[in-house]
Amino acid sequence: GAGVSQSPRYKVAKRGQDVALRCDPISGHVSLFWYQQALGQGPEFLTYFQNEAQLDKSGLPSDRFFAERPEGSVSTLKIQRTQQEDSAVYLCASSDWMDPNTEAFFGQGTRLTVV
Amino acid sequence: GDSVTQMEGPVTLSEEAFLTINCTYTATGYPSLFWYVQYPGEGLQLLLKATKADDKGSNKGFEATYRKETTSFHLEKGSVQVSDSAVYFCALLIYNQGGKLIFGQGTELSVKP
Repeated sequence: GAGVSQSPRYKVAKRGQDVALRCDPISGHVSLFWYQQALGQGPEFLTYFQNEAQLDKSGLPSDRFFAERPEGSVSTLKIQRTQQEDSAVYLCASSDWMDPNTEAFFGQGTRLTVV
Repeated sequence: GDSVTQMEGPVTLSEEAFLTINCTYTATGYPSLFWYVQYPGEGLQLLLKATKADDKGSNKGFEATYRKETTSFHLEKGSVQVSDSAVYFCALLIYNQGGKLIFGQGTELSVKP
């Protein structure tokens, strides 16, 4: 595709509900990243995939957070039993990485509000 | 650990004023440094980057020089426009961590006509 696409753009969840956030990276991009951006803050790293392999999940805040990229393209970030502190914008980025200095392209994000 | 610190906003300037947004970093390795911009209602976009000490990144009239001795990467523009109003994020990338970016908290810039 022309850019990184995320869906839904907005999600309101009741506390305790499970949610799934989708990321369609740029076609052919090997690397895919998820970030969490709280209001008024910079994005914080959650997890990283190289193709289908999840190489780094050190930023996932709890075991309620789970990410997958089973075929090395589309990725899903799942949050179980959502809590109010999960309210944030979730950003996905992809890059054509043989050189990590290559530009990472970001999607517009999914704004999650837990009520 | 690795971190990035930016000057707090919001920064409010008149059109054609000079802009500086300070950014300093702490890193154990040899990071590459980036400035990303987020215009209202849009996603993060790369503005400029520098991959080694003394490199200068530039784009759209913005410049930043990678200063290893002061661990800084300050963003400058000689004459801002209303269209530059956005949130600016300084970030570092550690090569051996797969391209993971560590961001500062962001600085909001508002340019008045």
